[in-house]
Amino acid sequence: EDQVTQSPEALRLQEGESSSLNCSYTVSGLRGLFWYRQDPGKGPEFLFTLYSAGEEKEKERLKATLTKKESFLHITAPKPEDSATYLCAVQSNFGNEKLTFGTGTRLTIIP
Amino acid sequence: DAGVIQSPRHEVTEMGQEVTLRCKLISGHNSLFWYRQTMMRGLELLIYFNNNVPIDDSGMPEDRFSAKMPNASFSTLKIQPSEPRDSAVYFCASKKTGDGNTIYFGEGSWLTVV
Repeated sequence: EDQVTQSPEALRLQEGESSSLNCSYTVSGLRGLFWYRQDPGKGPEFLFTLYSAGEEKEKERLKATLTKKESFLHITAPKPEDSATYLCAVQSNFGNEKLTFGTGTRLTIIP
Repeated sequence: DAGVIQSPRHEVTEMGQEVTLRCKLISGHNSLFWYRQTMMRGLELLIYFNNNVPIDDSGMPEDRFSAKMPNASFSTLKIQPSEPRDSAVYFCASKKTGDGNTIYFGEGSWLTVV
C-alpha cells in the first residue's frame, strides 16, 4: 500500500527565514510525486510534479527536490502570502491514476 | 478555462437525510476523482472514473455512498442516509489523459450532518 508521511505537521517561520518541508514516501513504482498548496477554505492548488530521483523544479520562492525515498520543498526567504498547508502526494505505476496524499504541513509566515 | 465546479459549496443537513453533491469537470478532461478531507485522515480517495467508467471505488465507505457520471462532464456523489460522521469537505478533481498526470481540484463541498 502506498504511504506518504509529511513533517513537520506545522511550521512557523519569520518572514525571510528559509526552511524545508519533508515528504517521505513508499510506493510500488513511482509514476510521479506531486506538491500542492491548500489555502483555508479552498481546494488544493497544483505546484509541481517530480518524476525521477535527482529532479528539481522551482517556482518563485519554492523549490522541490526528489530522492528515491523522500522529497523536500525548500522555501527561500518566505513572505506572509506563502502561508498555507502544503500537501505531498504520490502516484504509483502499478495502479490507477489516483493520488495518495500525506496529511500536509501547515506553514505560517510571521511578518 | 473554468476550473472544476462543485455545488453546493456548503450544506448543513439532518441525520438521515439524503445529500447530493455535484461536480462539473474541466472541459476536455476525461478522468474524475472524488476525495474526502477530514482533520483526522486528510485527503482520501473515494472513487475514480475514467471515460465515465468507475475504475476504483475501494475508498467508498459503505453502501450509503454512491457516485455516478451520467455524462462525460458531470458527476454526482450521493449519501443516503447521511450520518454525523460523514461531515467533511468533499472534493471533486479532474484530469486529462496525457496532460502530465496533473489532477486539478475544485473548491470543495463543505458538508455538516447534525
